[in-house]
Amino acid sequence: QQQVKQSPQSLIVQKGGISIINCAYENTAFDYFPWYQQFPGKGPALLIAIRPDVSEKKEGRFTISFNKSAKQFSLHIMDSQPGDSATYFCAASMIGGFKTIFGAGTRLFVKA
Amino acid sequence: DAGVIQSPRHEVTEMGQEVTLRCKPISGHDYLFWYRQTMMRGLELLIYFNNNVPIDDSGMPEDRFSAKMPNASFSTLKIQPSEPRDSAVYFCASSLNPAWEQYFGPGTRLTVT
Repeated sequence: QQQVKQSPQSLIVQKGGISIINCAYENTAFDYFPWYQQFPGKGPALLIAIRPDVSEKKEGRFTISFNKSAKQFSLHIMDSQPGDSATYFCAASMIGGFKTIFGAGTRLFVKA
Repeated sequence: DAGVIQSPRHEVTEMGQEVTLRCKPISGHDYLFWYRQTMMRGLELLIYFNNNVPIDDSGMPEDRFSAKMPNASFSTLKIQPSEPRDSAVYFCASSLNPAWEQYFGPGTRLTVT
C-alpha cells in the first residue's frame, strides 16, 4: 500500500532522444508526486512535481504525465542531453502526512 | 542559506568503532530526515524529526543505530558498534512540510572495514 514501484532500473538513451521513466502506486490517498534528480556524489534534488488534479505538468524539457485512474505517473525528458545523465527517483506523499515514499530509482545515461 | 550541511563528507572506520554523522538543517525547517542509500536497497528513510522530536524511527535497522536532535539546528546519527554492512551513503534532509519538497544534504559516505 505504501510502495511506489519505479521502472526501468536503468536506461540508456541517445542524445536528442526521449527518456521515459514510469512509476505506479497503490495508496489513493497520495496527493503529491515529486520527481528528484541525483547526480553522482550529490544528494537528490527536486526536479518537478505534480498534484493529482492535473494530468500533465511541463517544465522546460521535463514533463510529468499523471493517470489517476491507473494510479501511474511518468517522467518524460525531451531532447535528452548528456548532462541529464543522473539517477531519477519518483516519490509520493500525502498532504498532512509525515512521509514521502521514494521509488527505487532509475539510472539514466544519455549517450553523446 | 547554505543549504543542508553534513559532516564529515567521508568516513572510513574499522568494524566495532563508533561512528557519528552530523547534520545542520536549513534554518526554519521543522522537519529533519535521515536516509541511507545503497545500491541494493536504494534510498531508505531511517528516522525523522518534527520540531526536534523523533516522530518515526521504524526505519532504523538495529539498536546499534541512534539519532538525536538536541536543537533546531543540529542532529546526529550514531552507529555503535559499526559493521561492514553499514557501509553506505547517509543523507540528511530537511523540509517545511514532510509531504512537500525535501532539501537534501551532500551526504556522508561511510566505509566500515
